[in-house]
Amino acid sequence: SAVISQKPSRDICQRGTSLTIQCQVDSQVTMMFWYRQQPGQSLTLIATANQGSEATYESGFVIDKFPISRPNLTFSTLTVSNMSPEDSSIYLCSVERQGVSEAFFGQGTRLTVV
Amino acid sequence: EDQVTQSPEALRLQEGESSSLNCSYTVSGLRGLFWYRQDPGKGPEFLFTLYSAGEEKEKERLKATLTKKESFLHITAPKPEDSATYLCAVVTGGGADGLTFGKGTHLIIQP
Repeated sequence: SAVISQKPSRDICQRGTSLTIQCQVDSQVTMMFWYRQQPGQSLTLIATANQGSEATYESGFVIDKFPISRPNLTFSTLTVSNMSPEDSSIYLCSVERQGVSEAFFGQGTRLTVV
Repeated sequence: EDQVTQSPEALRLQEGESSSLNCSYTVSGLRGLFWYRQDPGKGPEFLFTLYSAGEEKEKERLKATLTKKESFLHITAPKPEDSATYLCAVVTGGGADGLTFGKGTHLIIQP
């Protein structure tokens, strides 16, 4: 398995501000993924982050709103920019092992925007 | 567009009462189907990956099976600690490796 640490675990933020979420993995991985889980909903992929290249965003998500960094093979950050109450969600970091045979998740960051 | 549909949305069972959760999918080129367990306030916990029709995997009271159109998660003689939301997800042959999730089945096992 993989040990994935996310920080912060939760935060309450004012609208119009930005929050950066950190994801640290216990071993090197090629791709890291960021998901959003809105209240009562399932997980939706935001973007895929490869080390040394621009993140690839899914339809409905843009870099200006969710900038991602991937400085090395064990770390990534997701920033939620210019937040509104609609951004209140759980944000999760994920990695895959052995190709796509196993995919593991962090504990998530519960974001509330007021 | 890839679609994953889970049923039922919620299921309440008595302890020891076996049942099955369904995950039907419409995808282009299935590379893998994943089952996860998610407890409140936590990230999804990996259970199984299935790759081809006819494949089965077991873990304690859980058994996952796969056909060309759907997957079942069978739970045998469940205990209250099996209460959780069970999520199904697929990864397809479109190039990206991210997962497409269903909405989950909220399972409650009553003592």
